Amino acid sequence: SQQGEEDPQALSIQEGENATMNCSYKTSINNLQWYRQNSGRGLVHLILIRSNEREKHSGRLRVTLDTSKKSSSLLITASRAADTASYFCATDAFYFGSGTKLNVKP
Amino acid sequence: NAGVMQNPRHLVRRRGQEARLRCSPMKGHSHVYWYRQLPEEGLKFMVYLQKENIIDESGMPKERFSAEFPKEGPSILRIQQVVRGDSAAYFCASSDRDSGGEKLFFGSGTQLSVL
Repeated sequence: SQQGEEDPQALSIQEGENATMNCSYKTSINNLQWYRQNSGRGLVHLILIRSNEREKHSGRLRVTLDTSKKSSSLLITASRAADTASYFCATDAFYFGSGTKLNVKP
Repeated sequence: NAGVMQNPRHLVRRRGQEARLRCSPMKGHSHVYWYRQLPEEGLKFMVYLQKENIIDESGMPKERFSAEFPKEGPSILRIQQVVRGDSAAYFCASSDRDSGGEKLFFGSGTQLSVL
């Protein structure tokens, strides 16, 4: 299975702090995507990084990809209470991990 | 330009009944994906369809579950003879892979409850 696996499973931080989530996967990929899910809602696409890219930025989001270690990280800088959600990585858009539940305390 | 539409939002069925979940992809998208999510868990891939074709159904149980995406109309995920273990949120997503789009756009999901 190519399924991504995130860690930590849960993360609780104060508003203004940075949040880092990690994702590991098992086989070679074409791309890796990060999604966000608010409780009970559908997922929203955040960022896509291709296998030939090492780092990508979008606003307060920074994603890195290390294909040699089969891992990716998502960094959210200067977190806000509104960032509270579950974050999932997906390999080639098919296989999702179990997610990191982020709680940002105001 | 409506997003991915799923209906119903909530579906209650008794054991043994049939559940039909509908998904209308975003306009112009011809690729549809179905996922199942249990509480506090990630999304489990079930099936990937393109208009009139099933591309990958490796995540779908062999029995009782079927999916279609006809030339006209929404994609349908059908669960026959539902059991309590089928209770979950079912999400549909669409993409524009024909034009190179790899991003998934998700619907709000159907929460299936089996009594």
